[in-house]
Amino acid sequence: DAGITQSPRHKVTETGTPVTLRCHQTENHRYMYWYRQDPGHGLRLIHYSYGVKDTDKGEVSDGYSVSRSKTEDFLLTLESATSSQTSVYFCAISDGGDTGELFFGEGSRLTVL
Amino acid sequence: GESVGLHLPTLSVQEGDNSIINCAYSNSASDYFIWYKQESGKGPQFIIDIRSNMDKRQGQRVTVLLNKTVKHLSLQIAATQPGDSAVYFCAENGNRDDKIIFGKGTRLHILP
Repeated sequence: DAGITQSPRHKVTETGTPVTLRCHQTENHRYMYWYRQDPGHGLRLIHYSYGVKDTDKGEVSDGYSVSRSKTEDFLLTLESATSSQTSVYFCAISDGGDTGELFFGEGSRLTVL
Repeated sequence: GESVGLHLPTLSVQEGDNSIINCAYSNSASDYFIWYKQESGKGPQFIIDIRSNMDKRQGQRVTVLLNKTVKHLSLQIAATQPGDSAVYFCAENGNRDDKIIFGKGTRLHILP
């Protein structure tokens, strides 16, 4: 398995609180991605990074911010969590950008009450 | 986990039969396509990919077919086994800007 660790794996929080999810990789891959997965919507791209300090928006970026200060870590932050952000969040890494295999983490289940 | 499978189209196949999972893509600029398999409670795993300069690619028990004329992708699984039970996603590189965009998925259910 690719060396990807997501933390926390499960979190319950209240509306309006900030939440940060962490993705850590040991593969030295250039690209890192955050997806959310919801019933009926499949996997939707939130934000991605193509290098240290280089990030861009995905399909559903509103309400989320990201940071990548070093190659191995990609943080996803919900500044003020809402119930609509209850979801399973997956981090993925790739060495090939849009023509490379994605390796996924095990997911982080976030519940916003 | 299991909750991500709700509302998905489902394909039920007898064990030992061949499975065909279909996917329509919308972006004619896509030139790279991938199939992923997601088992309950896990992240998606790569199965097979194909580039737009090919019509067919084979792996171990799996074949991907690409029809660019009608923007259609299919995954064929030979001699389906209980371990093939999962949700299957097609994905494409859309605008070729480092993003991989996923379809909504199909649940494959294996009948004994």
